[in-house]
Amino acid sequence: DIQLTQSPSFLSASVGDRVTITCRASQGISSYLAWYQQKPGKAPKLLIYAASTLQSGVPSRFSGSGSGTEFTLTISSLQPEDFATYYCQQLNSYPRFGPGTKVDIK
Amino acid sequence: EVQLVESGGGLVQPGRSLRLSCAASGFTFDDYAMHWVRQAPGKGLEWVSGISWNSGSIGYADSVKGRFTISRDNAKNSLYLQMNSLRAEDTALYYCAKDTGDGYCSGGSCSPFDYWGQGTLVTVSS
Repeated sequence: DIQLTQSPSFLSASVGDRVTITCRASQGISSYLAWYQQKPGKAPKLLIYAASTLQSGVPSRFSGSGSGTEFTLTISSLQPEDFATYYCQQLNSYPRFGPGTKVDIK
Repeated sequence: EVQLVESGGGLVQPGRSLRLSCAASGFTFDDYAMHWVRQAPGKGLEWVSGISWNSGSIGYADSVKGRFTISRDNAKNSLYLQMNSLRAEDTALYYCAKDTGDGYCSGGSCSPFDYWGQGTLVTVSS
C-alpha cells in the first residue's frame, strides 16, 4: 500500500504569509494527487487535483506542484479564511488521505 | 445545486449493525461514482468505500472489508453503507462524497471527490 506523509503536521502563520505544505508518497504516484481544505465542523473541500489543477471556484492564491513522490500545496498570501486543516489524497489505485496539516493563526 | 444528505447514524452497541443512507440531488446521480469517507473525533480523513456508477466496481478499505457493504439505488438517487459487526474504532462522522468520474478507480487510477455531505455520526459503544 502507498503511504502518505505530510509536513509539517502543524504550522502557525500570519495573514499575508506565504505557506507551503509538503506531501510525500512512499511510492511514485505520477500526478495522481489531490488537496482538500477542511474547516472545523465542515466537510472537506476539493482545492486541487492532478497535483496542480485548480478546482473551479478556488482562489488563485492556492497552487499545487510536484509529481512522483513529492508534492507541495502553496498559499501565496494567507487570508483569514484559509486557517484550516489541509489533506493530500493519493489517487493511484486507492483513494487514501494523508494525515493532515493544521494551519493556525500566529 | 449539488446536495448530499446523509442519515442513519446513531448510537449502537459493539457487534451490532447500522445502515447509512445518502440522498443525492442537483446532479445526474447515475453518471458518477460515489464514496463513503469517515473521520473519527479529532482525527483525519479515512476513505471507507467506493462504488462505480453502475455498481460494477466496488472497493473497501482494509479496516472495513468483510464487515461493510456499499450499494446504490440509481432510481432513488441514493447511496448506502451497510455496517455489520461494528467496533468501537468505527466511531466516526461518516461522509458521503461524489466522485468526479463514473468509475471506481478504473484503469488503476482514481478521481477526486468534488462534493461532500455534512456527515452522519456513528457512535459504537456499550
